Formats: sequence, structure tokens, C-alpha cells
Amino acid sequence: LAKTTQPISMDSYEGQEVNITCSHNNIATNDYITWYQQFPSQGPRFIIQGYKTKVTNEVASLFIPADRKSSTLSLPRVSLSDTAVYYCLVGAGYSTLTFGKGTMLLVSP
Amino acid sequence: GAGVSQSPSNKVTEKGKDVELRCDPISGHTALYWYRQSLGQGLEFLIYFQGNSAPDKSGLPSDRFSAERTGGSVSTLTIQRTQQEDSAVYLCASSLVGSSYEQYFGPGTRLTVT
Repeated sequence: LAKTTQPISMDSYEGQEVNITCSHNNIATNDYITWYQQFPSQGPRFIIQGYKTKVTNEVASLFIPADRKSSTLSLPRVSLSDTAVYYCLVGAGYSTLTFGKGTMLLVSP
Repeated sequence: GAGVSQSPSNKVTEKGKDVELRCDPISGHTALYWYRQSLGQGLEFLIYFQGNSAPDKSGLPSDRFSAERTGGSVSTLTIQRTQQEDSAVYLCASSLVGSSYEQYFGPGTRLTVT
């Protein structure tokens, strides 16, 4: 299983862009990269998924370089409500995804 | 539409008792997952079902833990002879087919073993 490494925590201020980078050096050819968000006392929620280059939705953008050994989740103009834990996962098909401890993002006024 | 539901939402039990946790996945989702999350920790994978079969049970921490899924729908996670270290939030998720698809999580069951 591809293992991921991401920062334990990050701090930001309202209105700033936040970029969280995840390393996955042994990603397999058919693995996808998926990011989840978790608020306290709730289950994780899917944010975005990609395979290569760039994916954008109404919530975030995901940047994946050509070698796919890392990925960056970009949150534009964060607000206080974006304070949460963000998990980076890689996997495909029926493989088990490992969530790990994620990145705790704290957004301050 | 209806999301993933779990019951009970909270369960307090005495050490040594057995508990059953229930998960109702989203209708039509063939994949179902159980995780647990201790206070301040990440999600720990327990078991994964594809239909009624469990191709990956690698995360079950001991033989006191078991899970089944019937009719390709409802799943129960059973913990026998509960220990205090079993206290955690148990989360269930379902997805359309496999793990590369979006997983939808339930609200979880908070288990406290006294």
C-alpha cells in the first residue's frame, strides 16, 4: 500500500490561500489521490480526487506533478469554518485506504 | 437522500461485556468499511466488505473483534469481552464500488468501556 506523509499541523488566517502537500513516493500506476476533510465529532467528508495534473471543484484544487510522487491540496481564501483535519490518501480499486493522522489546519481571524 | 446511518450513537458498557454496533450503508453501495478513531488520533482501518465478503480483515485488532454483512447491506461490528482500550468512535463508511470511489461516512458510534 502506498504510504503518505503530510504535515501534522498548519496555521493560517482568514482570506489566505492554504496549500497542504502530501508525499506518496511509492504510488502505484493505477492509484488515485483522494483528500478528505474531518470536523470534530463528525466522520470525514470527501473533498477532491485526482490522478494527474490538476483538478478543481467548488471547494478546492488538487495539483499533481508529472511524477505523481506528491500532491498539493489548495484551499482558496480560507475561512474559520475550514478549520479541520485534512487527510491525503492513495489507492485504487478495492485496495484498503490508510487515513493516517492527517494535517490539522487551524484558521485564525 | 439517506446517508449512512449508525446505531447506537453512544454506547456505554462495562468491561467484559459484548457490544454490537450497526451500520446501514447508502442503498446500492457495494463497499462498506469500518474504522475506529481514538481521541485525537487518525482513523484506524478495521475491515472492508465488498458485498457480503470481507477481502480485507487485516485491521481487526484482535479475535475479540468480528464483523458481518448480510444481504449486501447492513453490517454489524461485534466486540466481545470489551476492554477499556476499545473505547473510541467507531465509524462506518460506504462507497459505490471500491475504495478509490468516494466514501460516505456515518456519524459514528461513541463507545465507552468503563
